[in-house]
Amino acid sequence: GAVVSQHPSWVICKSGTSVKIECRSLDFQATTMFWYRQFPKQSLMLMATSNEGSKATYEQGVEKDKFLINHASLTLSTLTVTSAHPEDSSFYICSARGGGEADTQYFGPGTRLTVL
Amino acid sequence: GQNIDQPTEMTATEGAIVQINCTYQTSGFNGLFWYQQHAGEAPTFLSYNVLDGLEEKGRFSSFLSRSKGYSYLLLKELQMKDSASYLCAVRDGDYKLSFGAGTTVTVRA
Repeated sequence: GAVVSQHPSWVICKSGTSVKIECRSLDFQATTMFWYRQFPKQSLMLMATSNEGSKATYEQGVEKDKFLINHASLTLSTLTVTSAHPEDSSFYICSARGGGEADTQYFGPGTRLTVL
Repeated sequence: GQNIDQPTEMTATEGAIVQINCTYQTSGFNGLFWYQQHAGEAPTFLSYNVLDGLEEKGRFSSFLSRSKGYSYLLLKELQMKDSASYLCAVRDGDYKLSFGAGTTVTVRA
């Protein structure tokens, strides 16, 4: 149980284009999902918290107009990187709040974005 | 804010025991988590502590002292597949996780 998927697993795009990343909880409902970014050999940095049916909450320094988040259902959240630039190249990971005793976050496999 | 410190790298021999320490200073505390992350993959949940003491799960154990802002992850009977990065994360009252930079453990034959 508690499986989270992400699609695509990797994407290469040209500078100026937009990229959409999907995060799905496959066997449970997640009212809260999170989006992280991880640069090489660094830890995960929280970008935003996504709540089903409401606007996402962004961390300080994260541009909400550049990183659009939509949490349309209890099993799907999407992150759209708009007008991507090479500095947006990173590993993007989503997680879903899993409930249970620890109420831990379960992570998706990540999406490697490379902007040329 | 959160300030979470853990060693950058550790090396150990197959079959041995390794202890990864984590110290934290947080503005709110609602649990400490340890995750394992292999290169290029997402983190996987290992253990969780919210009360002081030791939690044991097979070869992995985790300890917490809230008054000292200190935790450790103990890996026993190390196997080659345990070579990975181990992330210490603290959860605050808003359910957000703040991660340390991770400790890369290398297991040698």
